[in-house]
Amino acid sequence: DTAVSQTPKYLVTQMGNDKSIKCEQNLGHDTMYWYKQDSKKFLKIMFSYNNKELIINETVPNRFSPKSPDKAHLNLHINSLELGDSAVYFCASSRVPGQSNSPLHFGNGTRLTVT
Amino acid sequence: GESVGLHLPTLSVQEGDNSIINCAYSNSASDYFIWYKQESGKGPQFIIDIRSNMDKRQGQRVTVLLNKTVKHLSLQIAATQPGDSAVYFCAEKRWYFGNEKLTFGTGTRLTIIP
Repeated sequence: DTAVSQTPKYLVTQMGNDKSIKCEQNLGHDTMYWYKQDSKKFLKIMFSYNNKELIINETVPNRFSPKSPDKAHLNLHINSLELGDSAVYFCASSRVPGQSNSPLHFGNGTRLTVT
Repeated sequence: GESVGLHLPTLSVQEGDNSIINCAYSNSASDYFIWYKQESGKGPQFIIDIRSNMDKRQGQRVTVLLNKTVKHLSLQIAATQPGDSAVYFCAEKRWYFGNEKLTFGTGTRLTIIP
């Protein structure tokens, strides 16, 4: 009954490769996100999608391409992986915000290691 | 530039004692301030939030205080338990070109000593 699930949990790959991380949420949320957490635990937003439409793109290199086939899925594809891409990537979702706060629900992360 | 920062990177508290985690922010335009808890190997989990027009909000064993004068936010955890050991993040939410944006602070690692 996992609310936000992402796969794989661990991903080890070599520089220059292309890889994808998948994310699915079963909460019926309209908005999904990708966050990157570095080795110092700093969390930074990368993208947000609302109903399959890109809303926020935080100056992420165009090697990173999110794809949302439907509002329950937001996948992250990374081309030509670099050492600096090593991090934990978190998918999250939230309801469409109204008058009240709508907290983010995070997945358990994908630890990407580029060698 | 905008930032959400924490005063202390680590905090150790004896089990049963109360803990206070502090956070300073610089953006006065934020609508909400939120605390998240991240346990090892897991994603951040929502704890409690406070709207910018409030100064205090209480939950179960947790209280968030907001001092807009000095741009300071704190999370108080009462009667700490071993399960409270985690990294705690404050975050601010504001509207960004018609959409919400959440900016996280750097995190404080709380360790509960048995």
